[in-house]
Amino acid sequence: AQTVTQSQPEMSVQEAETVTLSCTYDTSENNYYLFWYKQPPSRQMILVIRQEAYKQQNATENRFSVNFQKAAKSFSLKISDSQLGDTAMYFCAFVQGGSEKLVFGKGTKLTVNP
Amino acid sequence: EAQVTQNPRYLITVTGKKLTVTCSQNMNHEYMSWYRQDPGLGLRQIYYSMNVEVTDKGDVPEGYKVSRKEKRNFPLILESPSPNQTSLYFCASSPWGGSYEQYFGPGTRLTVT
Repeated sequence: AQTVTQSQPEMSVQEAETVTLSCTYDTSENNYYLFWYKQPPSRQMILVIRQEAYKQQNATENRFSVNFQKAAKSFSLKISDSQLGDTAMYFCAFVQGGSEKLVFGKGTKLTVNP
Repeated sequence: EAQVTQNPRYLITVTGKKLTVTCSQNMNHEYMSWYRQDPGLGLRQIYYSMNVEVTDKGDVPEGYKVSRKEKRNFPLILESPSPNQTSLYFCASSPWGGSYEQYFGPGTRLTVT
Protein backbone atom coordinates (compact mmCIF):
# COMPACT_ATOMS: atom_id res chain seq x y z
CA ALA A 1 0.00 0.00 0.00
CA GLN A 2 1.13 3.50 -0.73
CA THR A 3 2.11 5.70 2.18
CA VAL A 4 2.86 9.39 2.47
CA THR A 5 5.07 10.79 5.23
CA GLN A 6 5.34 14.40 6.35
CA SER A 7 8.03 14.55 8.98
CA GLN A 8 7.45 18.14 10.15
CA PRO A 9 4.27 18.44 12.24
CA GLU A 10 4.78 22.19 12.66
CA MET A 11 6.89 24.89 11.08
CA SER A 12 7.13 28.65 11.26
CA VAL A 13 8.61 31.28 8.98
CA GLN A 14 8.93 35.03 8.93
CA GLU A 15 6.91 36.99 6.44
CA ALA A 16 8.74 37.44 3.10
CA GLU A 17 11.11 34.55 3.77
CA THR A 18 11.24 31.16 2.07
CA VAL A 19 10.18 27.89 3.67
CA THR A 20 10.32 24.28 2.49
CA LEU A 21 7.90 21.57 3.60
CA SER A 22 9.03 17.96 3.27
CA CYS A 23 7.14 14.96 1.96
CA THR A 24 8.22 11.44 1.14
CA TYR A 25 6.12 8.65 -0.27
CA ASP A 26 6.36 4.97 -0.87
CA THR A 27 5.19 3.18 -4.00
CA SER A 28 6.40 0.48 -6.34
CA GLU A 29 4.52 1.93 -9.31
CA ASN A 30 5.72 4.34 -11.97
CA ASN A 31 2.45 6.02 -12.91
CA TYR A 32 1.25 8.32 -10.17
CA TYR A 33 0.47 11.91 -9.27
CA LEU A 34 1.44 14.04 -6.29
CA PHE A 35 -0.34 16.99 -4.78
CA TRP A 36 0.01 19.63 -2.12
CA TYR A 37 -3.23 20.81 -0.54
CA LYS A 38 -3.58 23.84 1.71
CA GLN A 39 -6.13 23.96 4.52
CA PRO A 40 -6.50 27.46 6.02
CA PRO A 41 -8.47 28.09 9.23
CA SER A 42 -11.65 28.09 7.13
CA ARG A 43 -11.02 24.31 6.76
CA GLN A 44 -11.51 24.40 2.99
CA MET A 45 -9.15 22.07 1.11
CA ILE A 46 -7.39 24.05 -1.61
CA LEU A 47 -5.17 22.51 -4.26
CA VAL A 48 -1.83 24.32 -4.29
CA ILE A 49 0.18 22.39 -6.85
CA ARG A 50 0.32 19.05 -8.58
CA GLN A 51 3.06 16.97 -10.21
CA GLU A 52 2.80 14.10 -12.65
CA ALA A 53 5.44 11.45 -11.96
CA TYR A 54 6.30 11.08 -15.64
CA LYS A 55 7.28 14.74 -15.89
CA GLN A 56 10.86 15.52 -14.97
CA GLN A 57 10.25 19.25 -14.76
CA ASN A 58 9.28 20.49 -11.33
CA ALA A 59 5.85 22.11 -11.13
CA THR A 60 5.56 25.80 -10.26
CA GLU A 61 2.57 27.96 -9.39
CA ASN A 62 3.50 31.56 -8.67
CA ARG A 63 5.28 31.56 -5.27
CA PHE A 64 4.85 27.81 -4.85
CA SER A 65 7.22 25.28 -6.37
CA VAL A 66 8.12 21.68 -5.78
CA ASN A 67 11.34 19.71 -5.71
CA PHE A 68 10.35 16.33 -7.10
CA GLN A 69 13.04 13.68 -6.65
CA LYS A 70 11.53 10.53 -8.14
CA ALA A 71 14.37 8.16 -7.28
CA ALA A 72 14.38 9.35 -3.68
CA LYS A 73 10.55 9.40 -3.59
CA SER A 74 10.63 12.91 -2.27
CA PHE A 75 8.21 15.74 -3.04
CA SER A 76 8.94 18.93 -1.09
CA LEU A 77 7.03 22.20 -1.36
CA LYS A 78 8.86 25.52 -1.40
CA ILE A 79 6.97 28.70 -0.58
CA SER A 80 8.81 31.86 -1.56
CA ASP A 81 8.09 35.35 -0.22
CA SER A 82 5.85 33.90 2.50
CA GLN A 83 2.69 35.86 3.25
CA LEU A 84 0.46 35.91 6.32
CA GLY A 85 -2.26 34.27 4.22
CA ASP A 86 -0.04 31.23 3.75
CA THR A 87 -0.66 30.30 7.38
CA ALA A 88 -2.42 26.95 7.10
CA MET A 89 -2.15 23.22 7.39
CA TYR A 90 -0.46 21.71 4.34
CA PHE A 91 -1.10 18.17 3.20
CA CYS A 92 0.95 16.15 0.78
CA ALA A 93 -1.10 13.59 -1.17
CA PHE A 94 -0.52 10.76 -3.62
CA VAL A 95 -2.76 9.07 -6.17
CA GLN A 96 -1.96 6.03 -8.22
CA GLY A 97 -2.59 6.34 -11.96
CA GLY A 98 -5.77 4.44 -12.83
CA SER A 99 -7.14 4.96 -9.33
CA GLU A 100 -8.79 8.04 -7.89
CA LYS A 101 -7.92 7.30 -4.27
CA LEU A 102 -5.96 10.07 -2.60
CA VAL A 103 -3.56 8.99 0.12
CA PHE A 104 -2.69 11.85 2.46
CA GLY A 105 0.18 12.59 4.76
CA LYS A 106 -0.58 13.72 8.30
CA GLY A 107 0.01 17.35 7.52
CA THR A 108 2.36 20.18 8.43
CA LYS A 109 1.03 23.19 10.26
CA LEU A 110 2.73 26.29 8.87
CA THR A 111 2.63 29.62 10.67
CA VAL A 112 3.83 32.78 8.95
CA ASN A 113 4.88 35.40 11.48
CA PRO A 114 4.74 39.14 10.81
CA GLU B 1 -20.43 27.82 -10.10
CA ALA B 2 -18.79 24.38 -10.04
CA GLN B 3 -18.84 23.12 -6.50
CA VAL B 4 -19.30 20.36 -3.97
CA THR B 5 -21.79 21.10 -1.22
CA GLN B 6 -22.22 19.39 2.11
CA ASN B 7 -24.94 19.68 4.71
CA PRO B 8 -25.00 20.26 7.55
CA ARG B 9 -21.77 22.15 8.14
CA TYR B 10 -21.94 21.58 11.88
CA LEU B 11 -23.75 18.88 13.80
CA ILE B 12 -23.86 17.92 17.45
CA THR B 13 -25.70 14.70 18.21
CA VAL B 14 -25.94 11.95 20.79
CA THR B 15 -24.73 8.39 20.71
CA GLY B 16 -26.99 6.08 18.73
CA LYS B 17 -29.09 8.67 16.94
CA LYS B 18 -28.98 7.97 13.21
CA LEU B 19 -27.80 10.81 11.01
CA THR B 20 -27.08 11.55 7.37
CA VAL B 21 -24.60 14.02 5.94
CA THR B 22 -25.47 14.98 2.40
CA CYS B 23 -23.01 15.64 -0.41
CA SER B 24 -23.84 16.96 -3.84
CA GLN B 25 -21.72 18.00 -6.82
CA ASN B 26 -22.76 19.86 -9.96
CA MET B 27 -19.80 18.94 -12.18
CA ASN B 28 -21.10 15.60 -13.50
CA HIS B 29 -18.17 13.81 -11.88
CA GLU B 30 -18.14 10.03 -11.84
CA TYR B 31 -15.97 9.60 -8.76
CA MET B 32 -17.03 10.67 -5.27
CA SER B 33 -15.46 9.97 -1.94
CA TRP B 34 -15.79 10.59 1.78
CA TYR B 35 -12.85 11.35 4.08
CA ARG B 36 -12.55 11.98 7.75
CA GLN B 37 -9.90 14.27 9.20
CA ASP B 38 -8.55 13.80 12.71
CA PRO B 39 -5.71 15.68 14.39
CA GLY B 40 -2.37 14.03 13.76
CA LEU B 41 -3.86 11.53 11.31
CA GLY B 42 -4.47 13.58 8.20
CA LEU B 43 -7.39 12.62 5.96
CA ARG B 44 -8.45 9.02 5.65
CA GLN B 45 -10.86 7.63 3.12
CA ILE B 46 -14.12 6.16 4.42
CA TYR B 47 -15.97 5.11 1.26
CA TYR B 48 -15.83 5.90 -2.40
CA SER B 49 -17.99 5.52 -5.48
CA MET B 50 -16.85 5.20 -9.07
CA ASN B 51 -20.31 5.74 -10.50
CA VAL B 52 -24.02 5.31 -9.81
CA GLU B 53 -24.74 2.17 -7.78
CA VAL B 54 -21.00 1.40 -7.49
CA THR B 55 -19.53 1.94 -4.03
CA ASP B 56 -16.64 0.43 -2.12
CA LYS B 57 -14.90 0.64 1.22
CA GLY B 58 -11.97 2.90 1.87
CA ASP B 59 -9.54 2.62 4.74
CA VAL B 60 -11.89 3.34 7.67
CA PRO B 61 -15.42 2.19 6.70
CA GLU B 62 -16.56 0.75 10.06
CA GLY B 63 -19.68 2.44 11.37
CA TYR B 64 -20.55 4.17 8.10
CA LYS B 65 -22.79 3.50 5.11
CA VAL B 66 -23.12 5.25 1.77
CA SER B 67 -25.35 5.11 -1.26
CA ARG B 68 -25.10 6.44 -4.81
CA LYS B 69 -28.51 6.44 -6.41
CA GLU B 70 -27.87 9.55 -8.49
CA LYS B 71 -24.65 10.72 -10.03
CA ARG B 72 -24.62 14.05 -8.24
CA ASN B 73 -25.37 12.82 -4.69
CA PHE B 74 -23.35 10.71 -2.30
CA PRO B 75 -24.76 10.78 1.26
CA LEU B 76 -22.85 9.47 4.27
CA ILE B 77 -24.96 7.62 6.81
CA LEU B 78 -24.11 6.93 10.42
CA GLU B 79 -26.65 4.36 11.61
CA SER B 80 -25.59 4.45 15.26
CA PRO B 81 -23.02 7.19 15.84
CA SER B 82 -20.46 6.79 18.60
CA PRO B 83 -18.09 9.34 20.18
CA ASN B 84 -15.13 7.97 18.20
CA GLN B 85 -16.86 9.23 15.05
CA THR B 86 -16.46 12.80 16.24
CA SER B 87 -14.44 14.26 13.40
CA LEU B 88 -14.29 16.62 10.45
CA TYR B 89 -15.77 15.05 7.34
CA PHE B 90 -15.06 15.94 3.73
CA CYS B 91 -16.80 14.91 0.56
CA ALA B 92 -14.83 15.10 -2.68
CA SER B 93 -15.44 14.45 -6.34
CA SER B 94 -13.42 14.11 -9.53
CA PRO B 95 -13.94 13.19 -13.15
CA TRP B 96 -12.77 9.65 -13.79
CA GLY B 97 -9.23 9.67 -15.14
CA GLY B 98 -7.54 12.78 -16.46
CA SER B 99 -6.09 15.21 -13.95
CA TYR B 100 -6.85 13.19 -10.80
CA GLU B 101 -7.58 16.50 -9.09
CA GLN B 102 -10.31 16.12 -6.49
CA TYR B 103 -12.71 18.90 -5.60
CA PHE B 104 -13.57 19.11 -1.94
CA GLY B 105 -16.70 20.21 -0.15
CA PRO B 106 -16.47 22.71 2.73
CA GLY B 107 -16.43 20.04 5.43
CA THR B 108 -18.86 18.94 8.15
CA ARG B 109 -17.83 19.17 11.77
CA LEU B 110 -19.56 16.33 13.65
CA THR B 111 -19.58 15.96 17.42
CA VAL B 112 -21.09 12.84 19.00
CA THR B 113 -21.65 13.04 22.75
